[in-house]
Amino acid sequence: DAGITQSPRHKVTETGTPVTLRCHQTENHRYMYWYRQDPGHGLRLIHYSYGVKDTDKGEVSDGYSVSRSKTEDFLLTLESATSSQTSVYFCAISEGARNTIYFGEGSWLTVV
Amino acid sequence: DAKTTQPPSMDCAEGRAANLPCNHSTISGNEYVYWYRQIHSQGPQYIIHGLKNNETNEMASLIITEDRKSSTLILPHATLRDTAVYYCIVRVAGSGGSNYKLTFGKGTLLTVNP
Repeated sequence: DAGITQSPRHKVTETGTPVTLRCHQTENHRYMYWYRQDPGHGLRLIHYSYGVKDTDKGEVSDGYSVSRSKTEDFLLTLESATSSQTSVYFCAISEGARNTIYFGEGSWLTVV
Repeated sequence: DAKTTQPPSMDCAEGRAANLPCNHSTISGNEYVYWYRQIHSQGPQYIIHGLKNNETNEMASLIITEDRKSSTLILPHATLRDTAVYYCIVRVAGSGGSNYKLTFGKGTLLTVNP
């Protein structure tokens, strides 16, 4: 158990609506990440954070924003959801000299 | 990060050892070998990692060849719950921005049969 909680775990939303996914960690790790996983594309990094209020873009950041106001919470926001953002979203954390990355259980998002 | 090559699928009988190979012939001296697995509808689960020495933990053993160009993940007594996709990844380990780079290939689907 990596001490990561994602919410909601499942969500269906309509095109054009805003959506926020929350990642909460209990490990006090410095780094947090949001990935999405799609068939044929594997895991792709959306955004990551290396500290409170310190975030940066990953390889598929368009259409997404993030915020980290507390060490334990990392929020992913889809300002205006599109069908192409239907995916499984994984939060991950890492800390320590070897920086092993641990993943949460995922949030299934369907945009109709 | 170095590219890895894994067989697409393998079968193993329950209770037997599962040996999952991985080739990483272009691995650099500062790159570690990591293994993750993903059970259907769950998040990737960290299993083990190593640099050049063999490693063992409560889940598995990792055998890295002396030239570091290949490795084998060993599940000593496979159970039905070990059925999953297993990913071999090589990456630089250490602090800094590069640690977010986790490139998951297609992995090996291990099916443990009763």
